[in-house]
Amino acid sequence: QLQLQESGPGLLRPSETLSLTCAVSGSSVSSSTYMWTWIRQPPGKGLQWMGQIFYGGNADYSPSFSGRVTLSVDRSRDTFSLSLTSVTASDTGVYFCARRGLSSSSSPGAFDVWGQGTLVTVSS
Amino acid sequence: QSALTQPASVSGSPGQSITVPCRGTSSDVGNYNLVSWYQQHPGKAPKLLIFEGNKRPSGISDRFSGSKSGNTASLTISGLQAGDEADYYCCSFAGFVANYVFGGGTRVTVL
Repeated sequence: QLQLQESGPGLLRPSETLSLTCAVSGSSVSSSTYMWTWIRQPPGKGLQWMGQIFYGGNADYSPSFSGRVTLSVDRSRDTFSLSLTSVTASDTGVYFCARRGLSSSSSPGAFDVWGQGTLVTVSS
Repeated sequence: QSALTQPASVSGSPGQSITVPCRGTSSDVGNYNLVSWYQQHPGKAPKLLIFEGNKRPSGISDRFSGSKSGNTASLTISGLQAGDEADYYCCSFAGFVANYVFGGGTRVTVL
């Protein structure tokens, strides 16, 4: 059964770079029928799509982050990662990695498997 | 402010049906058949309930159904149960610049 697991530091200082990794188990990040996605949730607020990456390395980013987000994928380790530069207190929240289907057999356009989420706090 | 608009809360009694609306625009909900709905219990990850507007993944109860009219998508929960108390989020594809946008979420309360 496919599982996603986020990992990374839980506390950052303002202006630092947030780096998170999502480990994929029970499947492969090299699947051609899925995109690998990061979604975050500020405390007490709604969900925000940050970006997605295909196994070949092609990535799309939300314009809301003004170029601060970079995604990468490591096919040898079955992981994909998020980098968010110049963090501020408003970047505090739970960060989820998720799988998004691409084809008619894989819940197209929907996030069907999620990690448990990891809380990141930005504070001086 | 979220791109898609949902009411902050909706409530109903056990056994009743409730509907959660999700208002978008002709750039997202109205232009693509890629609306999905998620259920999130406190402290948990969201769970996919509906994709492509009205399709249920395997294992999701048929008490959950989705529909769309113009720029507004809707989630209907029939036979409301105590376990349905949660936050519900809609999401839509919004083109290749914005990509995916979420609603602000609706807290469903079972009275």
